[in-house]
Amino acid sequence: DAGVTQSPTHLIKTRGQQVTLRCSPKSGHDTVSWYQQALGQGPQFIFQYYEEEERQRGNFPDRFSGHQFPNYSSELNVNALLLGDSALYLCASSLPTSGNTIYFGEGSWLTVV
Amino acid sequence: DAKTTQPPSMDCAEGRAANLPCNHSTISGNEYVYWYRQIHSQGPQYIIHGLKNNETNEMASLIITEDRKSSTLILPHATLRDTAVYYCIVRVATSYDKVIFGPGTSLSVIP
Repeated sequence: DAGVTQSPTHLIKTRGQQVTLRCSPKSGHDTVSWYQQALGQGPQFIFQYYEEEERQRGNFPDRFSGHQFPNYSSELNVNALLLGDSALYLCASSLPTSGNTIYFGEGSWLTVV
Repeated sequence: DAKTTQPPSMDCAEGRAANLPCNHSTISGNEYVYWYRQIHSQGPQYIIHGLKNNETNEMASLIITEDRKSSTLILPHATLRDTAVYYCIVRVATSYDKVIFGPGTSLSVIP
């Protein structure tokens, strides 16, 4: 059973560009969340998708957007990249059952230059 | 804000038990205690979780006090590979309850 998989693992973008990160949830999981982790800090919640809709959102600007597909996979898009967007982007998935556990992927390292 | 407080760092000798404390004095009745760890440059790894009973799995044991205001994660025989940042998290066990990370405890296992 594959866990949460993310791609790409590393990428470098130029300030002002746009980036798309991809996530495949753990088998059977229908809820996907995205987190941003700057160097030396804990992960910060960006948003969560369920049934192809954004269900809740953290304190991130509209430059951050996402999408969830019918197979539950998800994309995170960031427009107009800033140097401060350089971070590890984590995808997490879960099931809506009692005591459910959230599982994280290994992340995508984004460097903005 | 995170609902938990943890010591910023701890050391543990290799082969000894590592006991990582966590305070969660404002925990609600329907909130679980979860533990994750993050090894440098990797995604957070789920370790264990519990509601009010002590729990044990192949990785660790979780001891929750009777009043549920604190807990301890126990790694019975720490190895160098257990060096990581350990996060204690309190959350309602529903899919839409996001994870709020605090600073965690940086555990160093020393040879």
